[in-house]
Amino acid sequence: AQSVTQLDSQVPVFEEAPVELRCNYSSSVSVYLFWYVQYPNQGLQLLLKYLSGSTLVKGINGFEAEFNKSQTSFHLRKPSVHISDTAEYFCAVSDLTRRALTFGSGTRLQVQP
Amino acid sequence: NAGVTQTPKFQVLKTGQSMTLQCAQDMNHNSMYWYRQDPGMGLRLIYYSASEGTTDKGEVPNGYNVSRLNKREFSLRLESAAPSQTSVYFCASSDGQGNQPQHFGDGTRLSIL
Repeated sequence: AQSVTQLDSQVPVFEEAPVELRCNYSSSVSVYLFWYVQYPNQGLQLLLKYLSGSTLVKGINGFEAEFNKSQTSFHLRKPSVHISDTAEYFCAVSDLTRRALTFGSGTRLQVQP
Repeated sequence: NAGVTQTPKFQVLKTGQSMTLQCAQDMNHNSMYWYRQDPGMGLRLIYYSASEGTTDKGEVPNGYNVSRLNKREFSLRLESAAPSQTSVYFCASSDGQGNQPQHFGDGTRLSIL
């Protein structure tokens, strides 16, 4: 079985400050890792994904994430946030056999002016 | 390009009523999924269809049924709605491989009184 833990339910941050949203996972098999963003009253949009290769993955809107196999983590970072980054962010894992995503509980990023 | 379309966007039901949520995708994807989103719990998989003609239970299937009508359409039915099924329901589709991202609809907000 797989599980995903997002350690922070809410992260308040000031505009132009850096931010890190934490994600840890547990799985007995190799997984693929994803970060999705959800803006109010919308569905989820893919930010970035890690499949293999370089452990630093760059996504849309200036976000990046680093896969750390030894710590089973996939933390999301942005060096300078904007008001428009205010949203809920979900970490998710999948594997070849299950074909479905297991999501974390989400982190609400609140960017303040 | 519509992507994943869900209908209706909002619905209020009384306990015991039945309802079908509709989902259609225009990306020629093999796999389709139904999730529910509840506060603080992320998204949980209800049912999925790996390919046309097949359906499988996810994490929280009780009280729901699904139909993969054709490659494009995947419906979710509540036979006798209960207040515990008040939630936001998301449909998603993908190529069906674990390393491929899922594309989400905008959700159906369902309230059961």
